[in-house]
This record gives sequence, C-alpha cells and structure tokens, in this order.
Amino acid sequence: DAKTTQPPSMDCAEGRAANLPCNHSTISGNEYVYWYRQIHSQGPQYIIHGLKNNETNEMASLIITEDRKSSTLILPHATLRDTAVYYCTLRDMRFGAGTRLTVKP
Amino acid sequence: DAGVIQSPRHEVTEMGQEVTLRCKPISGHNSLFWYRQTMMRGLELLIYFNNNVPIDDSGMPEDRFSAKMPNASFSTLKIQPSEPRDSAVYFCASRVAGNTIYFGEGSWLTVV
Repeated sequence: DAKTTQPPSMDCAEGRAANLPCNHSTISGNEYVYWYRQIHSQGPQYIIHGLKNNETNEMASLIITEDRKSSTLILPHATLRDTAVYYCTLRDMRFGAGTRLTVKP
Repeated sequence: DAGVIQSPRHEVTEMGQEVTLRCKPISGHNSLFWYRQTMMRGLELLIYFNNNVPIDDSGMPEDRFSAKMPNASFSTLKIQPSEPRDSAVYFCASRVAGNTIYFGEGSWLTVV
C-alpha cells in the first residue's frame, strides 16, 4: 500500500495557483518526496522532488513541512492543460489514488 | 533520446490465451518497474528489478503473472492464462537507482 495520502479531487480556476497537499507521516529521514502527474491515459510524468528544502523548477514548486510529514505541490498559474491526476510518492514508488485536479475556465 | 518503449501498445485477446508485454528501458537505467492501472484499483506496482534481479514482486496478483528481465535492455510481463479481469493498462518504467522514474506510454490490454 502507498505510504502517502492525498485528497481525491480539487478544482482550481484558470490562472490561479493550485495547491495540492500530500501527507506522508511515515516518511523516513532519507526519503525524497516525488510528484508526478498523469494526463488523460498517458504514462505518469515527473514534476519535481525534494528532501527537506523547498524546491522550484519550471513546472512547479514543492513545499515540504519542517517535520517532513506533509508537502504541497504548487502550480503557480494553473492552465487548462494542467488538468490531470497528481501523485505524490516516496522511495518505494508506490502510487496511491492521487488527486484529480480540474482547472476550470 | 528514446524513452521507455513498450509493446504492443494495444492488444485484444481471448480469455485463456497467453499475453506477453514487452519493455525496453532507457539505456543506462538499472531499475525497471511494471505497473498495472485500472479504474477500480488505480496504479499498482506489480514488480520491480534492480540490475536485472527481481527485488519485490509482492504486487504480482497471482501465479498467472510472471516477469523476467534477461538483460539490462529488455523485460517481459507474461500472463498465462489471461482472464477478463486482467484487462488494464500496463506501464513499464525505469530509472537510475534513487532517481526519478520515467514511464512508457503503456500497453492497453483487453481480454474478452
């Protein structure tokens, strides 16, 4: 079973920031948090990962709490193309149900 | 560079037939993963290999499923005999150990 939990669905208005939470309370000290997304029925695509510091790349930002038990993926200006299922996962690469993000016009 | 390559992309087969799904990982990647995705069960990890050796096959549903990795550039997932409940999208993924994984486009299997 996946070691992460995420809300099943979220909506976001186009152009606004989308904040997707993930709980990973059993994370061990050296485990990274990885985020992927799956658009329609394509293979999941890597977004970002981090250990304990906040991370940013061209796609998103990742905020990890100080106790590392949860994290938030931030899409700063969501577009319709960001509609997808978003997964957070740890080292074991087991995926939970993810969060279905719907970006609305 | 070529990504993870899976074949066939689509297969329709009759119940009881043998199904073989194939995967070519990204060159230089030493870990390979097989996943199954259905609406009911989501994205399930079936098995993964490190350096061609199966490390964790706890996700393999039953003895009808088997996976092999004879060399670093090829893996197969076999279902024998197939059943309608095996209908799913099967993804292969690979990575350099400890790094991000890259998924193939999937093999869509329908068992009638």
